[in-house]
Amino acid sequence: AQTVTQSQPEMSVQEAETVTLSCTYDTSESDYYLFWYKQPPSRQMILVIRQEAYKQQNATENRFSVNFQKAAKSFSLKISDSQLGDAAMYFCAYRIPSQGGSEKLVFGKGTKLTVNP
Amino acid sequence: ETGVTQSPTHLIKTRGQQVTLRCSSQSGHNTVSWYQQALGQGPQFIFQYYREEENGRGNFPPRFSGLQFPNYSSELNVNALELDDSALYLCASSSVGGIGVQYFGPGTRLLVL
Repeated sequence: AQTVTQSQPEMSVQEAETVTLSCTYDTSESDYYLFWYKQPPSRQMILVIRQEAYKQQNATENRFSVNFQKAAKSFSLKISDSQLGDAAMYFCAYRIPSQGGSEKLVFGKGTKLTVNP
Repeated sequence: ETGVTQSPTHLIKTRGQQVTLRCSSQSGHNTVSWYQQALGQGPQFIFQYYREEENGRGNFPPRFSGLQFPNYSSELNVNALELDDSALYLCASSSVGGIGVQYFGPGTRLLVL
């Protein structure tokens, strides 16, 4: 069974600093997708960044980047120049490509990020 | 482009009752997935609907059921509510195939007393 582990229940960072959130996953698949979602107190899950496993290049979206280590099954999120609005729960998620079956996301338990002014 | 919407935002029910939650998918999306998020946990996959058929189910009992309509909107029905059903219910829409990013609605908070 696929599992996603986020070993840091809580993290904090000073405004304008950089923070890295960890995520590991367990799978026997060679092709899959990885995501980071952000869930602020408003509850709505917002996509932060995504990565296709077949792409060796790490994804980047503005201040957000990932360190994807396929052999180690690791997918960490780096937030640069942290802003107060980055404070939220961050969830790492995994999905295998659809082959006529469901495209379910498997989520980790989340990391609560606090940004200190 | 209209995002994913869910109704109602909050709901209080008593044990044994039935509840229906609704979701309108983002325009252009043909797949709807439902997730249950207990307090302090990550979302758990309930089931997914594609072309009005259930297309995969998580580890949830049959009293959790759903529908998808021709306009791709969806309902989640839960019968014989239990206290442990208290949670945030999230709906996500996507287009099947490819990376198929799932876009989430704001959720429905269900409290079972």
